[in-house]
Amino acid sequence: DAGVIQSPRHEVTEMGQEVTLRCKPISGHDYLFWYRQTMMRGLELLIYFNNNVPIDDSGMPEDRFSAKMPNASFSTLKIQPSEPRDSAVYFCASSGNSGSRLKTSYNEQFFGPGTRLTVL
Amino acid sequence: AQSVTQPDIHITVSEGASLELRCNYSYGATPYLFWYVQSPGQGLQLLLKYFSGDTLVQGIKGFEAEFKRSQSSFNLRKPSVHWSDAAEYFCAVSNTGGFKTIFGAGTRLFVKA
Repeated sequence: DAGVIQSPRHEVTEMGQEVTLRCKPISGHDYLFWYRQTMMRGLELLIYFNNNVPIDDSGMPEDRFSAKMPNASFSTLKIQPSEPRDSAVYFCASSGNSGSRLKTSYNEQFFGPGTRLTVL
Repeated sequence: AQSVTQPDIHITVSEGASLELRCNYSYGATPYLFWYVQSPGQGLQLLLKYFSGDTLVQGIKGFEAEFKRSQSSFNLRKPSVHWSDAAEYFCAVSNTGGFKTIFGAGTRLFVKA
């Protein structure tokens, strides 16, 4: 498996523009997580999905942020409009193993390489 | 509420020396505990995890961690550090019923020759 795939790896945009970050989880994983990492706040969980359904979005900073998971192999995190304070590295992670009875495979999260977002 | 504390923001050790990174957690029941490593420009990679059973857990790259319930700690250790171990290390806790994982602030490890 190629692991969790994120695109783009780097994004530079101007304040007010719409930004869309993409994630492809590991095949067979039924949990997907979006995190944001900054020097000031560390690693923050924004939202997570189970079987494509958002379970907890309490970490989403404000209405400018939205996330979707239209199918098991794709998710997006959108910021509209973007602001300089949104500059951060955004990570996607996936977890779980559909159909597996090995509970020890749960809770371990596999992270993508991240998208470094710079909003000017 | 769940929380994870890594009291050391950064640590410097000499190559070949032993290492211990501290982690304390706050959780009402038996937690799932993890250590992740992040190299510059990369995502997090799992080093080891504790769910139950033997309180001394072995991980990849020669790391181990010990769960001490009485101290609410899950410290990471390595007997001999290599220059390639320089990275940021995150302790994390997750509840047994769900998947919401709380990460500590991280400890950055510097290795000097």
